[in-house]
Amino acid sequence: QVQLVQSEAEATKPGASVRVSCEASGYNFYDYGFHWVRQAPGQGLEWMGWINPITGERSYGASVRGRATLTTDANTNTVSWELRSLISGDTAVYYCARGISLDTWGQGTLVTVS
Amino acid sequence: QSALTQPRSVSGSPGQSVTISCTGTSANIGNPGSDYVFWYQQHPGKVPRLLISNVRQRPAGVPDRFSGSRSGNTASLTISGLQPDDEAHYYCASYGGGLNFVFGSGTHVTVV
Repeated sequence: QVQLVQSEAEATKPGASVRVSCEASGYNFYDYGFHWVRQAPGQGLEWMGWINPITGERSYGASVRGRATLTTDANTNTVSWELRSLISGDTAVYYCARGISLDTWGQGTLVTVS
Repeated sequence: QSALTQPRSVSGSPGQSVTISCTGTSANIGNPGSDYVFWYQQHPGKVPRLLISNVRQRPAGVPDRFSGSRSGNTASLTISGLQPDDEAHYYCASYGGGLNFVFGSGTHVTVV
């Protein structure tokens, strides 16, 4: 079945960088793009970015533009999200999600910045 | 501040219907050239789940008690025959120009 499996939780300090990965399985990796979404503790969903694995086209949300990089690796069917210059406000659960409609979500990765 | 406005909470009794509104602009919800309006359900501590895509389409496995609609710059999610398990947060979402995606502020549904 279609599945997105994310990397484990990360704890890091302000000013550092973090990388979260999302491995796709159960479908053709190139058939869908990926969104990244985060959810701070007790807050709503915030869109972070999008990548098309075929074209490499990317788009980033305003709150992370200039600090974030999305990449894909078709050899491992993995999309990765890197966020630099972390601040405490970046503490959140980060999700990857598949396609135009975000029809499948990863289990989430907690990133704690303190 | 979210670009899409939802009521903070709605409530209903089992068996009743509730409707959640989602107000945006002509650049997202009301874009006449796009049907990209989505609704997601999230139970506490769980992963969001796609409920409605393209304004009114239900993915496989979503009960027909959930229905979506749109009028102008406002989209709506109606839950009919409210059940205790429907108690959750609901988020609308849309594309707001190019590949930029935007979520609503979220609505908590309480089954009283």
